[in-house]
Amino acid sequence: GIQVEQSPPDLILQEGANSTLRCNFSDSVNNLQWFHQNPWGQLINLFYIPSGTKQNGRLSATTVATERYSLLYISSSQTTDSGVYFCAVVPGTGGFKTIFGAGTRLFVKA
Amino acid sequence: EAEVAQSPRYKITEKSQAVAFWCDPISGHATLYWYRQILGQGPELLVQFQDESVVDDSQLPKDRFSAERLKGVDSTLKIQPAELGDSAMYLCASERSTSTDTQYFGPGTRLTVL
Repeated sequence: GIQVEQSPPDLILQEGANSTLRCNFSDSVNNLQWFHQNPWGQLINLFYIPSGTKQNGRLSATTVATERYSLLYISSSQTTDSGVYFCAVVPGTGGFKTIFGAGTRLFVKA
Repeated sequence: EAEVAQSPRYKITEKSQAVAFWCDPISGHATLYWYRQILGQGPELLVQFQDESVVDDSQLPKDRFSAERLKGVDSTLKIQPAELGDSAMYLCASERSTSTDTQYFGPGTRLTVL
């Protein structure tokens, strides 16, 4: 089945810094989403982005489907950005099952 | 703003007991998902419903887990009997249409099996 790899696994930033999180996937996808899981366990959807570029405030994402990767950019990071960022994909073939990556754990220091 | 509701938020049980979790999706969302998340890992899909029909339950341990969505609205996930390895966060999500839209997650049920 499809493999989803996220990097880096852990990231520590000083408040105000910028960062880029990466999601690589091994096969074509119909659906790609980025989520943020806060310290209380709530998963919040950030972007639905099977292709192209989107921006929402300090966050933006780009998916290059032909090269099988997606990037999440966080600018001017804040302590509230801390948590785990997940990439989730639905493969282009073989059903509708959503596959999550292992996540990137981000800690933003004040 | 509409939200996915789950209950209970926390559940502590002893092994061999039965437990049940409830999920009420966002109104009008046809697709409902149950995920299990072990600490330090990403969520793993257990079962996916389209209305009242199961679309995927390939990762559901059917000897002890069952899930239903009888009227295509709310859903129940049951474990009987619970085992120590079932301790995890159980997450419910809903989506307007299967796999082509954004999934919205509930707050989860944290299960501890003693």
